[in-house]
Amino acid sequence: QVTLKESGPVLVKPTETLTLTCTVSGFSLSNARMGVSWIRQPPGKALEWLAHIFSNDEKSYSTSLKSRLTISKDTSKSQVVLTMTNMDPVDTGTYYCARTEGGVVMPFDYWGQGTLVTVSS
Amino acid sequence: SYELTQPPSVSVSPGQTASITCSGHRLGDKYACWYQQQAGQSPVLVIYQDNKRPSGIPERFSGSNSGNTATLTISGTQAMDEADYYCQAWDNSTGVFGGGTKLTVL
Repeated sequence: QVTLKESGPVLVKPTETLTLTCTVSGFSLSNARMGVSWIRQPPGKALEWLAHIFSNDEKSYSTSLKSRLTISKDTSKSQVVLTMTNMDPVDTGTYYCARTEGGVVMPFDYWGQGTLVTVSS
Repeated sequence: SYELTQPPSVSVSPGQTASITCSGHRLGDKYACWYQQQAGQSPVLVIYQDNKRPSGIPERFSGSNSGNTATLTISGTQAMDEADYYCQAWDNSTGVFGGGTKLTVL
């Protein structure tokens, strides 16, 4: 059974760095066909893709947020980590991790439950 | 950067056909997929590679993609289909979502 679960702080202060962890099970991050993205959703607003890490450790980032994002993975722990620097209240929202299988143009077939992050002083 | 445009809302009567469009430059040259998001829940994939249905998705969900527009069609719409729907594609290894469409079944 494939599952993804996000974890991290519920509340961060403006200018702080956010670190989120996606722990996966039911598949291996070392599998040549697997990738994981981070996607966020401000309250009442649309989904926004943030970053993706491929099985070969290549990474891609949202053009508008690239300077603030870093995605990495620890295959031995089955974890994908996203860091976002210089947090602002507009970054408040639910952050999801989601899996792709089969290459870069494949869909997000499994999603985590999401974790709500609030940015406030 | 690449953009996908959806209508903010679509209304349909129960049992009728709902169509939700997603527009982007030469979108037909890419694979489009669609996600359903019920209130308070994570998105669920309903269509991938333009017109394929994942296991467990009802046959009333179908998709097409040509030119600049991808379309999600729900035939015989049911009350349970009321949700937000998002299209998504990849552009040069960058993920892109549409702005979402709220489907109301009334």
